[in-house]
Amino acid sequence: DAGVIQSPRHEVTEMGQEVTLRCKPISGHNSLFWYRQTMMRGLELLIYFNNNVPIDDSGMPEDRFSAKMPNASFSTLKIQPSEPRDSAVYFCASSLRGLVVPNTEAFFGQGTRLTVV
Amino acid sequence: AQKITQTQPGMFVQEKEAVTLDCTYDTSDQSYGLFWYKQPSSGEMIFLIYQGSYDEQNATEGRYSLNFQKARKSANLVISASQLGDSAMYFCAMSPQGAQKLVFGQGTRLTINP
Repeated sequence: DAGVIQSPRHEVTEMGQEVTLRCKPISGHNSLFWYRQTMMRGLELLIYFNNNVPIDDSGMPEDRFSAKMPNASFSTLKIQPSEPRDSAVYFCASSLRGLVVPNTEAFFGQGTRLTVV
Repeated sequence: AQKITQTQPGMFVQEKEAVTLDCTYDTSDQSYGLFWYKQPSSGEMIFLIYQGSYDEQNATEGRYSLNFQKARKSANLVISASQLGDSAMYFCAMSPQGAQKLVFGQGTRLTINP
Protein backbone atom coordinates (compact mmCIF):
# COMPACT_ATOMS: atom_id res chain seq x y z
CA ASP A 1 0.00 0.00 0.00
CA ALA A 2 1.29 3.47 -0.88
CA GLY A 3 0.19 4.98 2.41
CA VAL A 4 -1.42 8.38 2.80
CA ILE A 5 -0.40 10.63 -0.07
CA GLN A 6 -0.31 14.39 0.27
CA SER A 7 0.43 17.00 -2.34
CA PRO A 8 2.20 19.25 -2.71
CA ARG A 9 5.06 18.48 -0.32
CA HIS A 10 6.06 22.14 -0.23
CA GLU A 11 4.08 25.25 -1.05
CA VAL A 12 5.24 28.83 -1.00
CA THR A 13 2.62 31.43 -1.69
CA GLU A 14 2.00 35.12 -1.26
CA MET A 15 -0.32 36.51 1.34
CA GLY A 16 -3.84 36.75 0.04
CA GLN A 17 -3.55 33.87 -2.39
CA GLU A 18 -5.70 30.77 -2.27
CA VAL A 19 -3.96 27.56 -1.22
CA THR A 20 -5.30 24.04 -1.75
CA LEU A 21 -3.75 21.04 -0.05
CA ARG A 22 -4.66 17.57 -1.23
CA CYS A 23 -4.81 14.18 0.40
CA LYS A 24 -5.42 10.62 -0.71
CA PRO A 25 -6.09 8.34 2.27
CA ILE A 26 -5.20 4.68 2.50
CA SER A 27 -7.66 2.57 0.54
CA GLY A 28 -10.33 1.11 2.80
CA HIS A 29 -9.85 3.60 5.59
CA ASN A 30 -13.04 5.41 6.57
CA SER A 31 -11.70 8.20 8.77
CA LEU A 32 -9.62 11.12 7.57
CA PHE A 33 -7.97 13.86 9.60
CA TRP A 34 -6.29 17.16 8.89
CA TYR A 35 -3.70 18.32 11.42
CA ARG A 36 -1.54 21.41 11.57
CA GLN A 37 1.88 21.46 13.23
CA THR A 38 3.67 24.59 14.38
CA MET A 39 6.42 25.18 16.89
CA MET A 40 4.18 27.32 19.06
CA ARG A 41 1.02 25.22 19.09
CA GLY A 42 2.27 21.72 18.35
CA LEU A 43 -0.05 19.32 16.56
CA GLU A 44 -3.61 20.56 16.30
CA LEU A 45 -6.54 18.72 14.83
CA LEU A 46 -8.30 20.94 12.33
CA ILE A 47 -11.09 18.67 11.13
CA TYR A 48 -11.91 15.02 10.74
CA PHE A 49 -14.25 13.06 8.52
CA ASN A 50 -15.87 9.69 8.97
CA ASN A 51 -17.31 8.03 5.88
CA ASN A 52 -16.76 11.30 3.99
CA VAL A 53 -18.87 13.29 6.45
CA PRO A 54 -17.28 16.02 8.59
CA ILE A 55 -17.62 14.97 12.22
CA ASP A 56 -15.68 17.63 14.09
CA ASP A 57 -14.48 20.88 12.57
CA SER A 58 -14.07 22.74 15.84
CA GLY A 59 -10.34 23.02 15.22
CA MET A 60 -10.70 24.97 11.99
CA PRO A 61 -9.23 28.31 13.01
CA GLU A 62 -11.24 30.67 10.85
CA ASP A 63 -13.71 30.85 8.01
CA ARG A 64 -10.73 31.22 5.71
CA PHE A 65 -10.19 27.50 6.18
CA SER A 66 -12.43 24.93 4.53
CA ALA A 67 -12.16 21.20 3.95
CA LYS A 68 -14.01 18.80 1.71
CA MET A 69 -14.12 15.10 1.15
CA PRO A 70 -16.08 14.47 -2.04
CA ASN A 71 -15.34 10.74 -2.01
CA ALA A 72 -13.57 8.09 0.01
CA SER A 73 -10.27 8.54 -1.79
CA PHE A 74 -9.76 12.29 -1.82
CA SER A 75 -9.84 15.29 0.46
CA THR A 76 -8.81 18.93 0.19
CA LEU A 77 -7.98 21.62 2.69
CA LYS A 78 -8.32 25.11 1.33
CA ILE A 79 -7.15 28.40 2.77
CA GLN A 80 -8.54 31.53 1.18
CA PRO A 81 -7.11 34.08 1.60
CA SER A 82 -3.84 32.85 3.06
CA GLU A 83 -1.92 34.79 5.71
CA PRO A 84 1.67 34.51 6.99
CA ARG A 85 0.42 33.04 10.29
CA ASP A 86 -0.94 30.07 8.35
CA SER A 87 2.63 28.96 7.70
CA ALA A 88 2.94 25.47 9.14
CA VAL A 89 3.20 21.80 8.25
CA TYR A 90 -0.21 20.36 7.41
CA PHE A 91 -0.66 16.64 7.86
CA CYS A 92 -3.38 14.43 6.55
CA ALA A 93 -3.97 11.11 8.29
CA SER A 94 -6.37 8.23 7.84
CA SER A 95 -7.54 5.31 9.93
CA LEU A 96 -10.03 2.48 9.96
CA ARG A 97 -12.71 3.00 12.53
CA GLY A 98 -15.16 0.27 13.33
CA LEU A 99 -17.41 -0.88 16.10
CA VAL A 100 -15.03 -3.65 17.09
CA VAL A 101 -11.88 -1.56 17.04
CA PRO A 102 -12.96 1.95 18.00
CA ASN A 103 -9.45 3.06 18.76
CA THR A 104 -7.07 2.34 15.95
CA GLU A 105 -3.93 4.11 14.96
CA ALA A 106 -3.93 6.86 12.39
CA PHE A 107 -1.45 6.69 9.53
CA PHE A 108 0.02 10.01 8.53
CA GLY A 109 1.07 11.39 5.19
CA GLN A 110 4.41 13.08 4.68
CA GLY A 111 2.89 16.50 5.28
CA THR A 112 2.75 19.70 3.28
CA ARG A 113 5.06 22.48 4.40
CA LEU A 114 3.22 25.73 3.70
CA THR A 115 5.00 29.05 3.72
CA VAL A 116 2.97 32.22 3.24
CA VAL A 117 5.11 35.29 2.55
CA ALA B 1 -11.61 18.20 27.63
CA GLN B 2 -8.74 15.81 27.21
CA LYS B 3 -5.18 16.90 27.76
CA ILE B 4 -1.83 15.22 27.26
CA THR B 5 1.25 16.40 29.16
CA GLN B 6 4.81 15.54 28.25
CA THR B 7 7.05 17.17 30.81
CA GLN B 8 10.41 16.43 29.19
CA PRO B 9 11.09 18.84 26.33
CA GLY B 10 14.41 17.16 25.63
CA MET B 11 16.33 14.08 26.69
CA PHE B 12 19.88 12.93 26.03
CA VAL B 13 20.74 9.26 26.37
CA GLN B 14 23.78 7.13 25.62
CA GLU B 15 23.43 4.55 22.91
CA LYS B 16 22.33 1.10 24.13
CA GLU B 17 20.79 2.49 27.30
CA ALA B 18 17.09 2.19 28.02
CA VAL B 19 15.05 5.38 28.04
CA THR B 20 11.66 6.28 29.46
CA LEU B 21 9.62 9.10 27.99
CA ASP B 22 6.94 10.44 30.29
CA CYS B 23 3.32 11.03 29.40
CA THR B 24 0.40 11.88 31.64
CA TYR B 25 -3.14 12.46 30.51
CA ASP B 26 -6.30 13.97 31.83
CA THR B 27 -9.71 12.60 30.94
CA SER B 28 -13.00 11.68 32.53
CA ASP B 29 -13.71 9.06 29.87
CA GLN B 30 -13.85 5.40 30.85
CA SER B 31 -12.80 4.14 27.45
CA TYR B 32 -9.94 5.68 25.53
CA GLY B 33 -6.83 4.82 23.58
CA LEU B 34 -3.24 5.91 24.12
CA PHE B 35 -0.69 6.15 21.34
CA TRP B 36 2.94 7.01 20.79
CA TYR B 37 4.29 8.44 17.56
CA LYS B 38 7.84 9.13 16.44
CA GLN B 39 8.74 12.08 14.24
CA PRO B 40 12.30 11.95 12.87
CA SER B 41 13.98 15.00 11.39
CA SER B 42 12.54 14.10 8.00
CA GLY B 43 9.15 15.07 9.36
CA GLU B 44 6.90 12.07 8.91
CA MET B 45 4.80 10.75 11.80
CA ILE B 46 5.42 7.09 12.55
CA PHE B 47 3.06 5.08 14.73
CA LEU B 48 4.90 3.12 17.44
CA ILE B 49 2.52 1.59 19.94
CA TYR B 50 -1.07 1.58 21.20
CA GLN B 51 -2.66 0.88 24.59
CA GLY B 52 -6.38 0.59 25.23
CA SER B 53 -7.71 1.81 28.54
CA TYR B 54 -9.22 -1.59 29.29
CA ASP B 55 -6.13 -3.53 28.33
CA GLU B 56 -4.74 -5.17 31.44
CA GLN B 57 -1.37 -5.97 29.95
CA ASN B 58 1.13 -3.31 28.99
CA ALA B 59 1.54 -3.06 25.24
CA THR B 60 4.84 -4.08 23.67
CA GLU B 61 6.16 -3.74 20.12
CA GLY B 62 9.71 -4.90 19.65
CA ARG B 63 11.98 -2.54 21.60
CA TYR B 64 9.03 -0.34 22.56
CA SER B 65 6.83 -0.91 25.55
CA LEU B 66 4.18 1.22 27.15
CA ASN B 67 4.16 1.47 30.92
CA PHE B 68 0.45 2.04 31.54
CA GLN B 69 -0.60 3.10 35.03
CA LYS B 70 -4.29 3.85 34.80
CA ALA B 71 -4.78 5.11 38.35
CA ARG B 72 -1.98 7.59 37.90
CA LYS B 73 -3.13 8.41 34.35
CA SER B 74 0.30 7.85 32.93
CA ALA B 75 1.40 6.12 29.75
CA ASN B 76 5.17 6.23 29.61
CA LEU B 77 7.06 4.93 26.59
CA VAL B 78 10.05 2.73 27.29
CA ILE B 79 12.66 2.16 24.60
CA SER B 80 15.08 -0.61 25.38
CA ALA B 81 18.63 -0.74 24.03
CA SER B 82 18.44 2.66 22.35
CA GLN B 83 19.97 3.17 18.92
CA LEU B 84 21.23 6.24 17.10
CA GLY B 85 18.21 5.99 14.80
CA ASP B 86 15.92 6.53 17.77
CA SER B 87 16.87 10.21 17.83
CA ALA B 88 13.61 12.01 17.04
CA MET B 89 10.63 13.82 18.48
CA TYR B 90 8.23 11.55 20.32
CA PHE B 91 4.57 12.38 20.77
CA CYS B 92 2.10 10.87 23.16
CA ALA B 93 -1.52 11.04 22.04
CA MET B 94 -4.95 10.04 23.25
CA SER B 95 -8.11 9.10 21.46
CA PRO B 96 -11.15 10.05 23.56
CA GLN B 97 -14.16 7.83 24.06
CA GLY B 98 -16.51 7.88 21.12
CA ALA B 99 -14.19 9.90 18.95
CA GLN B 100 -11.54 8.78 16.53
CA LYS B 101 -9.47 11.94 16.75
CA LEU B 102 -6.09 12.12 18.43
CA VAL B 103 -5.12 14.73 21.00
CA PHE B 104 -1.36 15.18 21.08
CA GLY B 105 1.10 16.25 23.73
CA GLN B 106 3.83 18.79 23.02
CA GLY B 107 6.44 16.13 22.38
CA THR B 108 9.85 15.15 23.73
CA ARG B 109 12.98 15.50 21.65
CA LEU B 110 15.16 12.47 22.24
CA THR B 111 18.83 12.53 21.29
CA ILE B 112 20.87 9.33 21.38
CA ASN B 113 24.59 9.92 21.82
CA PRO B 114 27.16 7.42 20.49
